[in-house]
Amino acid sequence: EVQLVESGGVVVQPGGSLRLSCAASGFTFDDYAMHWVRQAPGKGLEWVSLISWDGGSTYYADSVKGRFTISRDNSKNSLYLQMNSLRAEDTALYYCAKDARWEPHFDYWGQGTLVTVSS
Amino acid sequence: QSALTQPRSVSGSPGQSVTISCTGTSSDVGGYNYVSWYQQHPGKAPKLMIYDVSKRPSGVPDRFSGSKSGNTASLTISGLQAEDEADYYCCSYAGSYRVFGTGTKVTVL
Repeated sequence: EVQLVESGGVVVQPGGSLRLSCAASGFTFDDYAMHWVRQAPGKGLEWVSLISWDGGSTYYADSVKGRFTISRDNSKNSLYLQMNSLRAEDTALYYCAKDARWEPHFDYWGQGTLVTVSS
Repeated sequence: QSALTQPRSVSGSPGQSVTISCTGTSSDVGGYNYVSWYQQHPGKAPKLMIYDVSKRPSGVPDRFSGSKSGNTASLTISGLQAEDEADYYCCSYAGSYRVFGTGTKVTVL
């Protein structure tokens, strides 16, 4: 059974930093690209970032480019999101999502971890 | 990276059909046959309902169907049931990026 378990969400002040983690199990982690998707309270889904299976390629939404860094450790079956220069508008539930192998869609999602940016 | 446009809400009675539109551009919806749809119940993670415009994952009822014409994709729910009441989001591949729709709340009257 595929499982994605996010952690690391806390309350942080504007301008602060935070690292989110996603522990993956139930599939061959290093065969798949992975994503972070976020959802602000009461709002819709927003794609944040993508990392290729080997970590060699990364992509970001314009709203986080230059502030967030996605990475992975295939030896630990883990995905990360380093978040710097946090803003109030980054407040959201952050989901880790698995990419399907041959077609670009999200076939499994975690339950999310809540990041609140507030003074 | 502008969000795809969906109606804010649609509604229907049990047994009826509803259709949700998802309008993008030639750089996303119109440029690729990679539109997916996700169902999200309150407090839950999104669930994949349709991928590659019209394909259904195993376990998704055949009441759910997808299509695309030009820059607009659509999700149709036939034979609406109470458990279909949820938020629905489209998502398109956009050349390594992904872009979600604004979301549609489906209400079963």
